[in-house]
Amino acid sequence: AQSVTQPDIHITVSEGASLELRCNYSYGATPYLFWYVQSPGQGLQLLLKYFSGDTLVQGIKGFEAEFKRSQSSFNLRKPSVHWSDAAEYFCAVMDSSYKLIFGSGTRLLVRP
Amino acid sequence: EPEVTQTPSHQVTQMGQEVILRCVPISNHLYFYWYRQILGQKVEFLVSFYNNEISEKSEIFDDQFSVERPDGSNFTLKIRSTKLEDSAMYFCASSELAGHNEQFFGPGTRLTVL
Repeated sequence: AQSVTQPDIHITVSEGASLELRCNYSYGATPYLFWYVQSPGQGLQLLLKYFSGDTLVQGIKGFEAEFKRSQSSFNLRKPSVHWSDAAEYFCAVMDSSYKLIFGSGTRLLVRP
Repeated sequence: EPEVTQTPSHQVTQMGQEVILRCVPISNHLYFYWYRQILGQKVEFLVSFYNNEISEKSEIFDDQFSVERPDGSNFTLKIRSTKLEDSAMYFCASSELAGHNEQFFGPGTRLTVL
Protein backbone atom coordinates (compact mmCIF):
# COMPACT_ATOMS: atom_id res chain seq x y z
CA ALA A 1 0.00 0.00 0.00
CA GLN A 2 1.11 3.52 -0.69
CA SER A 3 2.37 5.48 2.28
CA VAL A 4 4.37 8.53 3.22
CA THR A 5 6.62 8.77 6.24
CA GLN A 6 7.85 11.96 7.82
CA PRO A 7 10.16 10.74 10.56
CA ASP A 8 10.50 14.05 12.38
CA ILE A 9 7.45 15.18 14.36
CA HIS A 10 9.09 18.42 15.48
CA ILE A 11 12.15 20.29 14.26
CA THR A 12 13.56 23.44 15.81
CA VAL A 13 16.03 25.63 13.93
CA SER A 14 17.47 29.06 14.53
CA GLU A 15 16.45 31.88 12.24
CA GLY A 16 18.93 32.11 9.38
CA ALA A 17 19.96 28.47 9.67
CA SER A 18 19.41 25.92 6.94
CA LEU A 19 16.55 23.46 7.05
CA GLU A 20 15.92 19.96 5.77
CA LEU A 21 12.65 18.14 6.35
CA ARG A 22 12.64 14.46 5.55
CA CYS A 23 10.04 12.56 3.57
CA ASN A 24 10.07 8.94 2.46
CA TYR A 25 7.39 7.37 0.31
CA SER A 26 6.29 3.91 -0.62
CA TYR A 27 4.70 3.75 -4.05
CA GLY A 28 5.03 1.18 -6.78
CA ALA A 29 4.78 3.38 -9.83
CA THR A 30 6.18 6.77 -10.77
CA PRO A 31 5.44 8.96 -7.76
CA TYR A 32 3.78 12.34 -8.01
CA LEU A 33 5.04 14.15 -4.91
CA PHE A 34 3.97 17.29 -3.12
CA TRP A 35 4.94 19.41 -0.17
CA TYR A 36 2.24 21.46 1.54
CA VAL A 37 2.55 23.95 4.39
CA GLN A 38 -0.11 24.73 6.96
CA SER A 39 0.12 27.85 9.09
CA PRO A 40 -2.13 28.10 12.15
CA GLY A 41 -5.74 28.69 11.13
CA GLN A 42 -4.89 28.35 7.45
CA GLY A 43 -5.50 25.72 4.85
CA LEU A 44 -2.87 23.64 3.15
CA GLN A 45 -0.77 25.69 0.74
CA LEU A 46 1.26 23.99 -1.97
CA LEU A 47 4.99 24.69 -1.71
CA LEU A 48 6.17 22.58 -4.64
CA LYS A 49 5.52 19.44 -6.60
CA TYR A 50 7.46 16.81 -8.53
CA PHE A 51 5.97 15.01 -11.49
CA SER A 52 8.91 14.23 -13.73
CA GLY A 53 12.08 15.70 -15.17
CA ASP A 54 14.65 17.56 -13.11
CA THR A 55 14.85 15.90 -9.71
CA LEU A 56 15.56 19.19 -7.96
CA VAL A 57 12.40 21.26 -7.90
CA GLN A 58 12.00 24.84 -6.81
CA GLY A 59 8.98 26.09 -4.98
CA ILE A 60 7.59 29.18 -3.39
CA LYS A 61 9.07 31.03 -0.41
CA GLY A 62 12.60 29.89 -1.26
CA PHE A 63 11.96 26.18 -0.71
CA GLU A 64 13.31 23.37 -2.85
CA ALA A 65 13.05 19.60 -2.76
CA GLU A 66 15.06 16.81 -4.28
CA PHE A 67 13.55 13.58 -5.53
CA LYS A 68 15.83 10.57 -5.01
CA ARG A 69 14.29 7.44 -6.44
CA SER A 70 17.02 5.17 -5.06
CA GLN A 71 16.23 6.34 -1.54
CA SER A 72 12.45 6.78 -2.06
CA SER A 73 12.88 10.24 -0.62
CA PHE A 74 11.65 13.73 -1.37
CA ASN A 75 13.28 15.96 1.22
CA LEU A 76 12.41 19.63 1.55
CA ARG A 77 15.16 22.18 2.03
CA LYS A 78 15.62 25.87 2.59
CA PRO A 79 19.04 27.53 2.87
CA SER A 80 18.03 30.22 5.38
CA VAL A 81 14.92 29.95 7.53
CA HIS A 82 12.80 32.97 8.44
CA TRP A 83 10.62 33.25 11.53
CA SER A 84 7.56 33.28 9.26
CA ASP A 85 8.42 29.75 8.11
CA ALA A 86 7.23 28.34 11.44
CA ALA A 87 4.34 26.07 10.47
CA GLU A 88 3.47 22.44 9.87
CA TYR A 89 4.79 20.82 6.72
CA PHE A 90 3.17 17.88 4.99
CA CYS A 91 4.63 15.63 2.34
CA ALA A 92 2.15 13.81 0.11
CA VAL A 93 2.06 11.38 -2.79
CA MET A 94 -0.76 11.30 -5.31
CA ASP A 95 -1.98 7.82 -6.10
CA SER A 96 -3.36 6.40 -9.35
CA SER A 97 -6.88 7.64 -8.58
CA TYR A 98 -5.55 11.17 -7.97
CA LYS A 99 -6.15 11.31 -4.26
CA LEU A 100 -3.42 12.60 -1.96
CA ILE A 101 -1.83 10.37 0.66
CA PHE A 102 -0.24 12.48 3.35
CA GLY A 103 2.53 11.99 5.83
CA SER A 104 1.89 12.79 9.46
CA GLY A 105 3.54 16.19 9.19
CA THR A 106 6.55 17.93 10.70
CA ARG A 107 6.08 20.95 12.90
CA LEU A 108 8.82 23.53 12.37
CA LEU A 109 9.71 25.87 15.22
CA VAL A 110 12.04 28.79 14.55
CA ARG A 111 14.22 30.20 17.32
CA PRO A 112 14.91 33.94 17.14
CA GLU B 1 -6.15 35.27 -6.25
CA PRO B 2 -9.01 32.74 -6.32
CA GLU B 3 -9.27 30.53 -3.27
CA VAL B 4 -11.37 27.77 -1.78
CA THR B 5 -13.56 28.94 1.07
CA GLN B 6 -15.23 26.90 3.79
CA THR B 7 -17.96 27.66 6.30
CA PRO B 8 -18.27 27.55 9.20
CA SER B 9 -14.73 27.73 10.51
CA HIS B 10 -15.81 25.91 13.67
CA GLN B 11 -18.91 23.81 14.26
CA VAL B 12 -19.89 22.36 17.62
CA THR B 13 -22.67 19.77 17.68
CA GLN B 14 -24.19 17.12 19.88
CA MET B 15 -23.66 13.46 19.15
CA GLY B 16 -26.40 12.14 16.88
CA GLN B 17 -27.09 15.49 15.23
CA GLU B 18 -26.74 16.15 11.52
CA VAL B 19 -24.15 18.63 10.30
CA ILE B 20 -23.51 20.15 6.91
CA LEU B 21 -20.10 21.53 6.10
CA ARG B 22 -19.96 23.95 3.21
CA CYS B 23 -17.29 24.67 0.65
CA VAL B 24 -17.07 27.03 -2.28
CA PRO B 25 -14.43 25.67 -4.68
CA ILE B 26 -12.55 27.83 -7.14
CA SER B 27 -15.01 28.80 -9.83
CA ASN B 28 -13.57 27.07 -12.90
CA HIS B 29 -12.57 23.91 -11.07
CA LEU B 30 -14.34 20.67 -11.88
CA TYR B 31 -12.96 18.16 -9.36
CA PHE B 32 -13.77 18.34 -5.69
CA TYR B 33 -12.49 16.55 -2.63
CA TRP B 34 -13.02 16.25 1.09
CA TYR B 35 -10.23 15.30 3.47
CA ARG B 36 -10.17 15.22 7.23
CA GLN B 37 -7.56 15.43 9.95
CA ILE B 38 -8.28 14.06 13.39
CA LEU B 39 -6.24 15.95 15.98
CA GLY B 40 -2.69 14.65 16.04
CA GLN B 41 -3.21 12.34 13.08
CA LYS B 42 -2.62 12.42 9.33
CA VAL B 43 -4.74 14.21 6.78
CA GLU B 44 -6.94 11.47 5.28
CA PHE B 45 -8.88 11.33 2.04
CA LEU B 46 -12.64 10.98 2.34
CA VAL B 47 -14.19 11.41 -1.09
CA SER B 48 -13.71 12.82 -4.58
CA PHE B 49 -16.51 14.18 -6.74
CA TYR B 50 -16.81 15.00 -10.43
CA ASN B 51 -19.71 15.63 -12.77
CA ASN B 52 -22.21 15.35 -9.93
CA GLU B 53 -21.03 11.90 -8.95
CA ILE B 54 -18.72 10.42 -6.41
CA SER B 55 -15.54 9.31 -8.16
CA GLU B 56 -13.99 7.54 -5.23
CA LYS B 57 -14.58 7.23 -1.51
CA SER B 58 -12.53 5.87 1.34
CA GLU B 59 -13.52 3.31 3.95
CA ILE B 60 -14.20 6.20 6.32
CA PHE B 61 -16.92 7.53 4.02
CA ASP B 62 -19.72 5.25 5.14
CA ASP B 63 -23.49 5.64 4.87
CA GLN B 64 -23.47 8.44 7.43
CA PHE B 65 -21.64 10.68 4.98
CA SER B 66 -22.92 12.25 1.79
CA VAL B 67 -21.75 14.96 -0.58
CA GLU B 68 -23.68 17.22 -2.85
CA ARG B 69 -23.20 20.07 -5.25
CA PRO B 70 -26.58 21.72 -4.80
CA ASP B 71 -25.89 24.63 -7.13
CA GLY B 72 -23.12 25.90 -9.36
CA SER B 73 -20.89 27.06 -6.56
CA ASN B 74 -21.32 25.11 -3.32
CA PHE B 75 -19.99 21.68 -2.45
CA THR B 76 -21.27 20.22 0.80
CA LEU B 77 -20.40 17.37 3.12
CA LYS B 78 -23.23 16.07 5.28
CA ILE B 79 -22.82 13.83 8.28
CA ARG B 80 -26.25 12.42 9.13
CA SER B 81 -25.76 11.32 12.72
CA THR B 82 -22.50 12.54 14.17
CA LYS B 83 -20.34 10.42 16.44
CA LEU B 84 -17.66 11.50 18.87
CA GLU B 85 -15.01 10.12 16.53
CA ASP B 86 -16.16 12.45 13.75
CA SER B 87 -14.50 15.32 15.61
CA ALA B 88 -11.80 16.52 13.24
CA MET B 89 -10.71 19.27 10.89
CA TYR B 90 -12.41 18.84 7.54
CA PHE B 91 -10.71 20.23 4.45
CA CYS B 92 -12.30 20.82 1.09
CA ALA B 93 -10.11 20.90 -2.01
CA SER B 94 -10.64 21.45 -5.70
CA SER B 95 -8.66 21.05 -8.89
CA GLU B 96 -9.18 22.35 -12.37
CA LEU B 97 -8.31 19.21 -14.24
CA ALA B 98 -8.27 15.50 -13.67
CA GLY B 99 -5.03 13.69 -13.32
CA HIS B 100 -1.94 14.60 -11.44
CA ASN B 101 -2.69 18.24 -10.82
CA GLU B 102 -2.51 20.53 -7.85
CA GLN B 103 -5.40 20.41 -5.44
CA PHE B 104 -6.21 23.75 -3.82
CA PHE B 105 -7.28 23.49 -0.20
CA GLY B 106 -9.64 25.56 1.88
CA PRO B 107 -8.86 26.68 5.44
CA GLY B 108 -10.87 23.86 6.97
CA THR B 109 -13.84 23.48 9.29
CA ARG B 110 -13.14 22.27 12.79
CA LEU B 111 -15.97 19.95 13.83
CA THR B 112 -16.37 19.21 17.51
CA VAL B 113 -18.88 16.53 18.50
CA LEU B 114 -19.87 16.53 22.18
